[in-house]
Amino acid sequence: EAQVTQNPRYLITVTGKKLTVTCSQNMNHEYMSWYRQDPGLGLRQIYYSMNVEVTDKGDVPEGYKVSRKEKRNFPLILESPSPNQTSLYFCASSVDRGGTRTQYFGPGTRLLVL
Amino acid sequence: DAKTTQPNSMESNEEEPVHLPCNHSTISGTDYIHWYRQLPSQGPEYVIHGLTSNVNNRMASLAIAEDRKSSTLILHRATLRDAAVYYCILFFTGYNTDKLIFGTGTRLQVFP
Repeated sequence: EAQVTQNPRYLITVTGKKLTVTCSQNMNHEYMSWYRQDPGLGLRQIYYSMNVEVTDKGDVPEGYKVSRKEKRNFPLILESPSPNQTSLYFCASSVDRGGTRTQYFGPGTRLLVL
Repeated sequence: DAKTTQPNSMESNEEEPVHLPCNHSTISGTDYIHWYRQLPSQGPEYVIHGLTSNVNNRMASLAIAEDRKSSTLILHRATLRDAAVYYCILFFTGYNTDKLIFGTGTRLQVFP
């Protein structure tokens, strides 16, 4: 089944403790993205990647790192999490479709930083 | 970034058609019109997209105004499973960008 998977789905951590949220897609898509969703602010893009070893900042990259060493994986790294990074995070991968690109989203990771 | 305007909420009865409007008066010639929806406790899901012509797929239809300043997502027979937040998004397809700009969307309630 074509899908984007994220782990963990739920995470409670403390300020400053490094964490990684994994994202994997099995569709051989070149583009992948990370979004965060906050009440009243909608979904905002954190980082995206056009291919292996090629990444760029989205709208809210501060406090996050990403890497793309393999096409299928795009982990999100929080080196020193802070409470304002408490949010719902979505990973997505993109496919070319009819002159544009459309995105497949993962199920989300709910993060609470104490 | 081009902006879209949608009603905050709409209601429908099951098995009735639903027309979800979207205004995008500042659309540029290279922007595609995308629709996504987000079911409760799930990630957004692609619904349909178009550039200039009306489009149909198994989920919905997309009607695009001739001047492209507005569009309408049509669900032909609403089901309870269609209750979701629907987002109308303008997407510029370029190598150095892959960003969907989500607004607040339209929350669709479907009643049995």
